[in-house]
Amino acid sequence: GNSVTQMEGPVTLSEEAFLTINCTYTATGYPSLFWYVQYPGEGLQLLLKATKADDKGSNKGFEATYRKETTSFHLEKGSVQVSDSAVYFCALSGFRSNDYKLSFGAGTTVTVRA
Amino acid sequence: DAGVIQSPRHEVTEMGQEVTLRCKPISGHDYLFWYRQTMMRGLELLIYFNNNVPIDDSGMPEDRFSAKMPNASFSTLKIQPSEPRDSAVYFCASRGTPPNTDTQYFGPGTRLTVL
Repeated sequence: GNSVTQMEGPVTLSEEAFLTINCTYTATGYPSLFWYVQYPGEGLQLLLKATKADDKGSNKGFEATYRKETTSFHLEKGSVQVSDSAVYFCALSGFRSNDYKLSFGAGTTVTVRA
Repeated sequence: DAGVIQSPRHEVTEMGQEVTLRCKPISGHDYLFWYRQTMMRGLELLIYFNNNVPIDDSGMPEDRFSAKMPNASFSTLKIQPSEPRDSAVYFCASRGTPPNTDTQYFGPGTRLTVL
C-alpha cells in the first residue's frame, strides 16, 4: 500500500536559517504529493503540492520537487521566520478514484527562534 | 467559500455516551473524508465517501463508529458508546474530482475528550 516516511523531529532553528525536511514515499503508479502545515490549535492547511514527476511545488518561500527516481519530495525554505513554527506533514494521494485518501507521514515539528 | 465546516469544535463527554460529529463539505466537492489525529497514531483515515456513497471504511476502528452522508452537503461521524481511547481530534476534509481539484481541504477539526 501507499506510505510516507518523513524526517523525525523536533527541529529547532534560528531565524533566517535554512530548513530541510526529508520525505520519501512508497506508492504504486503516479501519486500526487503534498505538504500540509498545521499551526498550533488549528487544522491542516495545504502548503504546496506536485502532481507529476519533476514538478516543483512552491508557496510562501517553501519549495519541494517531485523526484520519482528517488521517490522523494523534500521540503526546503531558504530563510525561515518565527511564524514558520508549526508541524509539517508530507502526504500522498493515489491517482485512482478508489485511492484518493491521503497517506500522511508522522509530521515534523519545527520551532524557529528569534 | 466558507471552507469545510465542522461542529462542534470541542466536545467533552463521559465514557459510554453517544457522540455525533458533523461536517459540511465545500460546495461542489463530491469526495468527503474523515480523519483522526492522535499523538500515538498520527493522522489516519477513518472513512471516505464519493457522491454520498462510502468508498473505503477500512479505517473505522470498530462497530462503535459509524458514518453517514445523507446528502452532498452534510456528513456525520457517530461514536456509540464512546470510550476514553476515542479522545482525539477528528478532521473532515473534502475535494473535487480531477481535473477540478486534487487537493483535500480540511476543516478546523473537532477536539473530542472522553472522560
